[in-house]
Amino acid sequence: KQEVTQIPAALSVPEGENLVLNCSFTDSAIYNLQWFRQDPGKGLTSLLLIQSSQREQTSGRLNASLDKSSGRSTLYIAASQPGDSATYLCAVHTDKLIFGTGTRLQVFP
Amino acid sequence: SQTIHQWPATLVQPVGSPLSLECTVEGTSNPNLYWYRQAAGRGLQLLFYSVGIGQISSEVPQNLSASRPQDRQFILSSKKLLLSDSGFYLCAWSVGWDQPQHFGDGTRLSIL
Repeated sequence: KQEVTQIPAALSVPEGENLVLNCSFTDSAIYNLQWFRQDPGKGLTSLLLIQSSQREQTSGRLNASLDKSSGRSTLYIAASQPGDSATYLCAVHTDKLIFGTGTRLQVFP
Repeated sequence: SQTIHQWPATLVQPVGSPLSLECTVEGTSNPNLYWYRQAAGRGLQLLFYSVGIGQISSEVPQNLSASRPQDRQFILSSKKLLLSDSGFYLCAWSVGWDQPQHFGDGTRLSIL
């Protein structure tokens, strides 16, 4: 059974820091991995999708990497801003999306 | 561009009452549609998905049902709500099963 774990569960940092959020999964037989952002009381916003054949994807200040063989993905956020405060979720795609429980990020001025 | 709408945004219902949550997608044809529930302190759980009109797959046995009466309309229903049905319900769509999923703003359901 696929299990997805995100570490840390919560993170509070000052503005300007570079951040790494971690996602691990137990079964490497995935089709892709997707990172989402969720603001309080809101739905999910898709940030990046990495196909199983890819090693990384970049969008602006965000960079996501995937090491399928070791069951790990990281989301790198450069020069963090208060507007980045949200919960970040990773999800692996097998026959369905399986989500981690998220990392709650707070960036303070 | 594609958009997804869910309503209502919040709902408070008594135990034993019926439920109907609606989700519609605009700007795409024949999308895959999904219903998820996010319970407090837990990850998102897939409840139902649909690859076409009238085609519904259920992921977990429960007190809920789903229907897809039109190509871009997905409805989540219950005949009698339980306390355990409380949660945040999210609808999503994708152009294919292995393509990015895009989510609505969700419905916060509280059962009293």
